[in-house]
Amino acid sequence: GAGVSQSPRYKVAKRGQDVALRCDPISGHVSLFWYQQALGQGPEFLTYFQNEAQLDKSGLPSDRFFAERPEGSVSTLKIQRTQQEDSAVYLCASSPTGRGGSGTDTQYFGPGTRLTVL
Amino acid sequence: AQTVTQSQPEMSVQEAETVTLSCTYDTSESDYYLFWYKQPPSRQMILVIRQEAYKQQNATENRFSVNFQKAAKSFSLKISDSQLGDAAMYFCAYRSAMMSRYALNFGKGTSLLVTP
Repeated sequence: GAGVSQSPRYKVAKRGQDVALRCDPISGHVSLFWYQQALGQGPEFLTYFQNEAQLDKSGLPSDRFFAERPEGSVSTLKIQRTQQEDSAVYLCASSPTGRGGSGTDTQYFGPGTRLTVL
Repeated sequence: AQTVTQSQPEMSVQEAETVTLSCTYDTSESDYYLFWYKQPPSRQMILVIRQEAYKQQNATENRFSVNFQKAAKSFSLKISDSQLGDAAMYFCAYRSAMMSRYALNFGKGTSLLVTP
């Protein structure tokens, strides 16, 4: 299929470990979003890329969170020195156009990575 | 910041019946977009329906329709002829039309149970 894929699907980390979560968006999609979904909650925005440019990182909860999309396709969300409160599902979404495009652009979501920090 | 409220944590409907999920939002903007997303247990979010705020006509997609009341800031989802496959979490989401605010703001979701 040509959907958004994420890896790993599940990640268990010990507190203090660094983790890296990968997102493969739909080919050719300009926009890429990361969201954090805590248990029983709706997703919350973390950061936004238009091609390789990170245009919005206002949702990143701390400087332990870092995201990149160096070639404008695959993106990695890195969490340093993980804490228990980082336990959540991390969702990636992509959409065809960037800012200035249609506001009704569908965001296509991946299956998410469930991170558990012990 | 815009907030989205879904006041029904859980709803239940019998197969073939109709159910309405509620959503209200708070914004000072006049131009924006509203969405309903479905999240089955597999976790992959799927867009159900969307509405542009400047359009007065309510959006419809097959068995799914919305009741958009802009003045009341209400955006409810009606599912007709409910099917077992409709069982999922449903999230209402708001997106600003401002270019600097591109992300979706989600409500906390409503869990829909469909009984045979």
